[in-house]
Amino acid sequence: QVQLVESGGGVVQPGRSLRLSCAASGFTFSSYGMHWVRQAPGKGLEWVALIWYDGSNKYYVDSVKGRFTISRDNSKNTVYLQMNSLRAEDTAVYYCARDHCGGDCYYSVNWGQGTLVTVSS
Amino acid sequence: QLVLTQSPSASASLGASVKLTCTLSSGHSNYAIAWHQQQPEKGPRYLMKLNSDGSHTKGDGIPDRFSGSSSGAERYLTISSLQSEDEADYYCQTWGTGIVVFGGGTKLTVL
Repeated sequence: QVQLVESGGGVVQPGRSLRLSCAASGFTFSSYGMHWVRQAPGKGLEWVALIWYDGSNKYYVDSVKGRFTISRDNSKNTVYLQMNSLRAEDTAVYYCARDHCGGDCYYSVNWGQGTLVTVSS
Repeated sequence: QLVLTQSPSASASLGASVKLTCTLSSGHSNYAIAWHQQQPEKGPRYLMKLNSDGSHTKGDGIPDRFSGSSSGAERYLTISSLQSEDEADYYCQTWGTGIVVFGGGTKLTVL
């Protein structure tokens, strides 16, 4: 069965960096787009980024453009989210999710359990 | 601007049915959406993709009690024979080229 396991969360000071990882199994990773979605404490879901199956296209929500970078290593079945210049408002649980297609379906059909990122001094 | 609007809360009795609504912003009434369920302290779970004509494709293992329908800019999720485990937050999601948007979510209470 599909498994998505996020890691790399923790407490970080404002302005610092953090890299999240999501290890995938149970499907042909190199055939599917991957999303990062976040959820601030007590709030709803917010889409963060999408990368196509081959890394050829990447999209971001406006609030993270220029600060966050999504990438993937198909040889390791892993997707990453590099987060730079972190702000208090980036505090959230970060979920990775599998796209229904190679990236151009744009909706998530499998989700991980999330990793908590807390930005605080 | 692509926006999804959901009522913050809904409630219904055990064994009854409930219909949750997700409304697409003006000019986007032909967009498909996806419904997701998030039980307390858990990650989200994909329920279905719902097209503008009401056709829908459910995720693996989603019970027949969950169904979707559409009317104009409104997308609905109907849950019948409500069970206690259906108490959860429900989110709709839509998309355009290079953008993905979630609604604010509806918290469903099963009485």
